[in-house]
Amino acid sequence: EPEVTQTPSHQVTQMGQEVILRCVPISNHLYFYWYRQILGQKVEFLVSFYNNEISEKSEIFDDQFSVERPDGSNFTLKIRSTKLEDSAMYFCATQGPFTDTQYFGPGTRLTVL
Amino acid sequence: AQSVTQLDSHVSVSEGTPVLLRCNYSSSYSPSLFWYVQHPNKGLQLLLKYTSAATLVKGINGFEAEFKKSETSFHLTKPSAHMSDAAEYFCVVTSGTYKYIFGTGTRLKV
Repeated sequence: EPEVTQTPSHQVTQMGQEVILRCVPISNHLYFYWYRQILGQKVEFLVSFYNNEISEKSEIFDDQFSVERPDGSNFTLKIRSTKLEDSAMYFCATQGPFTDTQYFGPGTRLTVL
Repeated sequence: AQSVTQLDSHVSVSEGTPVLLRCNYSSSYSPSLFWYVQHPNKGLQLLLKYTSAATLVKGINGFEAEFKKSETSFHLTKPSAHMSDAAEYFCVVTSGTYKYIFGTGTRLKV
């Protein structure tokens, strides 16, 4: 069964550094999402992406965040200058045509020191 | 605006006894509702979904959920818990824009 994959599984970085989180979607999926889950809190929507542009973003998704699909396969989330409060598990999700079911990757645990 | 309330943050049951995880939703539109499970250090796995067909939805691993519009509820049940069911369960609502709105989760201990 096709799966969404994410790399790295765990990233440790210093405050102020840039990080890029990567996701490989299921091959025929057209809609892409990033969510995050701060430890002990609920999963929160960050951004949705369709047809090479952002469809919707949350208040969390400020100018420090960006998304792109640079090579038509990977879907990336970049945080330009990480803050301590960016420490969280980041989930990528992808969705095929004619459905509203999203399939989640295993997540990237980001730790900002 | 949409929202989801999971009424119990923790539920503890004995193996072989029934499971009930409660979820209430609020939505301005006809919602799609989902239950996802997250095992420790794993991603989110779809258990089942409701999309305005049958109100009783069967999912994987013996779980099912009943959509009750009058009560705005979508409770998750299983007749007999197994040790492997111990995990965190999330109720999710979506409509219109496709983004998921998650509940705060219920940690099931077996």
